[in-house]
Amino acid sequence: RKEVEQDPGPFNVPEGATVAFNCTYSNSASQSFFWYRQDCRKEPKLLMSVYSSGNEDGRFTAQLNRASQYISLLIRDSKLSDSATYLCVVTDTGTASKLTFGTGTRLQVTL
Amino acid sequence: GAVVSQHPSRVICKSGTSVKIECRSLDFQATTMFWYRQFPKQSLMLMATSNEGSKATYEQGVEKDKFLINHASLTLSTLTVTSAHPEDSSFYICSALGAGEQYFGPGTRLTVT
Repeated sequence: RKEVEQDPGPFNVPEGATVAFNCTYSNSASQSFFWYRQDCRKEPKLLMSVYSSGNEDGRFTAQLNRASQYISLLIRDSKLSDSATYLCVVTDTGTASKLTFGTGTRLQVTL
Repeated sequence: GAVVSQHPSRVICKSGTSVKIECRSLDFQATTMFWYRQFPKQSLMLMATSNEGSKATYEQGVEKDKFLINHASLTLSTLTVTSAHPEDSSFYICSALGAGEQYFGPGTRLTVT
């Protein structure tokens, strides 16, 4: 079983739609959680950290359910520029040291 | 934000040769850097943790004699792929740890023919 699992997609959505991605992790000792965005043939870039209380950054909302070992990312009012692969990332320490990446979920936003 | 560079961005080499990839933190010092590898449609996999002034820590299954890591200064880590083979063709990405966050380099695409 993979440490971090994601639906690879692709998710094809029209501009303006709301889309949600899910991620599950196997290590119950995981402490920090993140969503990264990776464009084709580029390095990953931190989108947002994920907190137990849930957090929002503009059109992006992240949720964490420790009991179910489940993380989600909601994107509202999708833009063409949101097209990318979204990576779910966890660490097993309190700092962003050893990152474990999911395979990513590909999002394609269309006109 | 913090900037990390990698050189070269792309390299093609013949089977059996060695390739060196540089990772530099441009505007901060990084005692810890990481090397990842990403095959097509797969996740980034951590290869090793590079610590300035000491030996790198390799992940299980990564051959330390094949992937030589040197972190001789607080702003530079190098990864040398020795005796490269076609199966080593991949996207190699480094990151540098600064202020509790990892900053990623732009990656190096290695193709071994």
